[in-house]
Amino acid sequence: QKEVEQDPGPLSVPEGAIVSLNCTYSNSAFQYFMWYRQYSRKGPELLMYTYSSGNKEDGRFTAQVDKSSKYISLFIRDSQPSDSATYLCAMEYNNNDMRFGAGTRLTVKP
Amino acid sequence: DADVTQTPRNRITKTGKRIMLECSQTKGHDRMYWYRQDPGLGLRLIYYSFDVKDINKGEISDGYSVSRQAQAKFSLSLESAIPNQTALYFCATSESDSYEQYFGPGTRLTVT
Repeated sequence: QKEVEQDPGPLSVPEGAIVSLNCTYSNSAFQYFMWYRQYSRKGPELLMYTYSSGNKEDGRFTAQVDKSSKYISLFIRDSQPSDSATYLCAMEYNNNDMRFGAGTRLTVKP
Repeated sequence: DADVTQTPRNRITKTGKRIMLECSQTKGHDRMYWYRQDPGLGLRLIYYSFDVKDINKGEISDGYSVSRQAQAKFSLSLESAIPNQTALYFCATSESDSYEQYFGPGTRLTVT
């Protein structure tokens, strides 16, 4: 069983839709949770990070962590074509020893 | 991406050949990392270095070696390339005690 599971999609939504991206994990020692965005032919870039359970909001993006269920989510409100990318969840339990999900490929159609 | 550069960007090589991928950064970060990305498997850590004298194995280090020539330079070597090392390779950097990693543009390696 992989430590981090993420549905690879692909996911296609119309512009303006609410997008929900999710990951589950098996290692309860993970403490830091991140979402990276990767555009085609580019390296990943950090979008959001959270520590422990709860919600964190940044503009149209909301990251949610439920440690009791070992489940994290990223919500994108009012999705735009520029949001089209692959979204990778990442988790860390030991300083800089990070585990990534496989990535979900998102397309937002105008 | 310009702060973290990788060379070459694309490389095709044959089984058994030695190959080196290079990474340079101008961000002044102490920590550097090498990952490989495969479809369906995501990013997996190969090696990481906290400073010039501190190099650590990651999740999948077998078949790879690294060299930290300076704070700004971290190279990845495949001593004898094999086809299942065909992948997209990323270098990343971070500040000490920061969870944000900055990735380079990647090197697409094909081993035939």
